Amino acid sequence: DSGVTQTPKHLITATGQRVTLRCSPRSGDLSVYWYQQSLDQGLQFLIQYYNGEERAKGNILERFSAQQFPDLHSELNLSSLELGDSALYFCASSVGGAFSTDTQYFGPGTRLTVL
Amino acid sequence: DAKTTQPTSMDCAEGRAANLPCNHSTISGNEYVYWYRQIHSQGPQYIIHGLKNNETNEMASLIITEDRKSSTLILPHATLRDTAVYYCIVRVAEGAQKLVFGQGTRLTINP
Repeated sequence: DSGVTQTPKHLITATGQRVTLRCSPRSGDLSVYWYQQSLDQGLQFLIQYYNGEERAKGNILERFSAQQFPDLHSELNLSSLELGDSALYFCASSVGGAFSTDTQYFGPGTRLTVL
Repeated sequence: DAKTTQPTSMDCAEGRAANLPCNHSTISGNEYVYWYRQIHSQGPQYIIHGLKNNETNEMASLIITEDRKSSTLILPHATLRDTAVYYCIVRVAEGAQKLVFGQGTRLTINP
């Protein structure tokens, strides 16, 4: 158990819909990262938040957005869903700060299925 | 981040040491070598990381060559639960904090 929690575990929805994935980081961690894992793309970085502010962006679609709240939990919002958005979505957390050598710990993931 | 090369798959007998190689010939002096693994579709699990020196923890040992162009992750007594995809990742010490995952090595531990 990494200490990172994600809800829900599974999500099944239809094309065109909007969903919200939630992540609670480990106690004391200020950084939250979102990753997407699809069959054809592997594990890809989407976005990072540090202490409530966006710090880095990866290959995140415009239909996707995220935020980190004052209690440090984070939400990933996916809208206008397409079949290709079906994937595992992982959240990771780390202490954060200026240096990247702090270790990222991953949550169990949310499996999104778009029908 | 430097590119890494890993074998696509490996097999190891239960109870034996599993040695997973990783080439990172373009690694820079300020880049760390990290290892994660992913069991089935679970979240990636941190294993170990190092810069220059060999490292050991309760899960594994990391051997980095003197020129730092390659490394080996060693699981000393592999069990069936070690069957997973193992990712070798090179990260800079400053700047971008994301992890860049390659295809990894699918390690199968056989009874």
